[in-house]
Amino acid sequence: GAGVSQSPRYKVAKRGQDVALRCDPISGHVSLFWYQQALGQGPEFLTYFQNEAQLDKSGLPSDRFFAERPEGSVSTLKIQRTQQEDSAVYLCASSPPGFLGTDTQYFGPGTRLTVL
Amino acid sequence: ILNVEQSPQSLHVQEGDSTNFTCSFPSSNFYALHWYRWETAKSPEALFVMTLNGDEKKKGRISATLNTKEGYSYLYIKGSQPEDSATYLCAFIGLPTGANNLFFGTGTRLTVIP
Repeated sequence: GAGVSQSPRYKVAKRGQDVALRCDPISGHVSLFWYQQALGQGPEFLTYFQNEAQLDKSGLPSDRFFAERPEGSVSTLKIQRTQQEDSAVYLCASSPPGFLGTDTQYFGPGTRLTVL
Repeated sequence: ILNVEQSPQSLHVQEGDSTNFTCSFPSSNFYALHWYRWETAKSPEALFVMTLNGDEKKKGRISATLNTKEGYSYLYIKGSQPEDSATYLCAFIGLPTGANNLFFGTGTRLTVIP
């Protein structure tokens, strides 16, 4: 079956540009997560949705980062006025209803963002 | 900020060798530990979710053990094959658990030399 997909796979932006990263979760998955992986680091939590509700955005590094999931399926992570420190791989993951920490999160292949 | 550490950072082994690596995590407030395998240009793939102290899980040639009292998990690969080359990530979830916040280590990058 189809897994989690992300687009674009690679994005190069000039400093100051706005970018939008898309995530298509597995159909029927209620929970959706965004993570940021900087070079040499492990993935770090950014934000979490349950259906269309953003229940936790504590990991978003600044108010330039914004995520939405308006219809409870596709999600977009938007970064405004990109900075070089935003260069990272952005991972999206989804999980079935009732994730309580023991359900598997299914990851997409990530979007590699490079800010010049 | 939770400290989840993995060692070694990278590892080269010959095809056929067995190997293991470590994930260390806070022993207090443990809820679950996840292991993932991430091959280059692919999606991270879930290997195990472990919750009970003393738990041991196996998937083919890969197995994992869990010690929640001392805060570590080992991942073992028996008879390594080139297709095992990947980065292996562990991720910790602590109490109180929201339905979120996997805290990842930095990974162990395994290269199996044919």
